[in-house]
Amino acid sequence: GQNIDQPTEMTATEGAIVQINCTYQTSGFNGLFWYQQHAGEAPTFLSYNVLDGLEEKGRFSSFLSRSKGYSYLLLKELQMKDSASYLCAVMDSNYQLIWGAGTKLIIKP
Amino acid sequence: GAVVSQHPSWVICKSGTSVKIECRSLDFQATTMFWYRQFPKQSLMLMATSNEGSKATYEQGVEKDKFLINHASLTLSTLTVTSAHPEDSSFYICSARPPGGDSYEQYFGPGTRLTVT
Repeated sequence: GQNIDQPTEMTATEGAIVQINCTYQTSGFNGLFWYQQHAGEAPTFLSYNVLDGLEEKGRFSSFLSRSKGYSYLLLKELQMKDSASYLCAVMDSNYQLIWGAGTKLIIKP
Repeated sequence: GAVVSQHPSWVICKSGTSVKIECRSLDFQATTMFWYRQFPKQSLMLMATSNEGSKATYEQGVEKDKFLINHASLTLSTLTVTSAHPEDSSFYICSARPPGGDSYEQYFGPGTRLTVT
C-alpha cells in the first residue's frame, strides 16, 4: 500500500528553526510536495522536490532523499504566522498526489 | 499566477437536499480538475479526477451517483452533492492542472465548507 508518515504536531518558538520530517512508501515517484494550510483554508504550495538534495526558498528549505524515502521541510526564523499545518504529498507513478495527514505546527512567543 | 476560485465558500443545507459547488480556473484552461474532501484534523482525500469532456474518475469508496461531477468546459467543473446527509459535512477543495507545462502543476481553490443539518 501507499503510505505517507509525518508527525501529528510540533511546537517551536518564534525566531527559532524547526524541521518537519516526512517518510513515504508509494508506487512510483514523480516528486514530493510540501504545502502549508492554515485552518479553514485551502493548501498553498511551498516546495517541490524531484531530485535528491536541498531546495532553498527564503526562510523555507526542503530536502529529499529518494533512496531513503525521506524528506524534511526546514523553517527558519519562525514567525507567528507560520503556525499552520504542513502537508507532505508524493506524486505517484500515475501523477496522482498521495497526501500525508499533515503536521500541525504551533509557534509560541 | 494561476488562480482557482470556488463558489460558494460556505453553504448550509438541510438533509436530503442537493448542493452544487463550482470550481473555476480564472486565468488558465484546466484540462484536469481534482475534487478533494477534508474532514477536521485529517488530510485531504481525493474524491475524483475530472477531465474536460469526459466522465470523471472516482476514487474507491466514493459514490459516483451521490457526488456528481461535470467538467463541461476548460474553466469550470462542478460537484453536486445529491441527497446530502450530515455525514457529508466537510471541507471540499478543488484543484486544477493547466495543460502542458510541468506535470506537477496543480493550483487549489479556496475550498467550500458544507454543513448539512
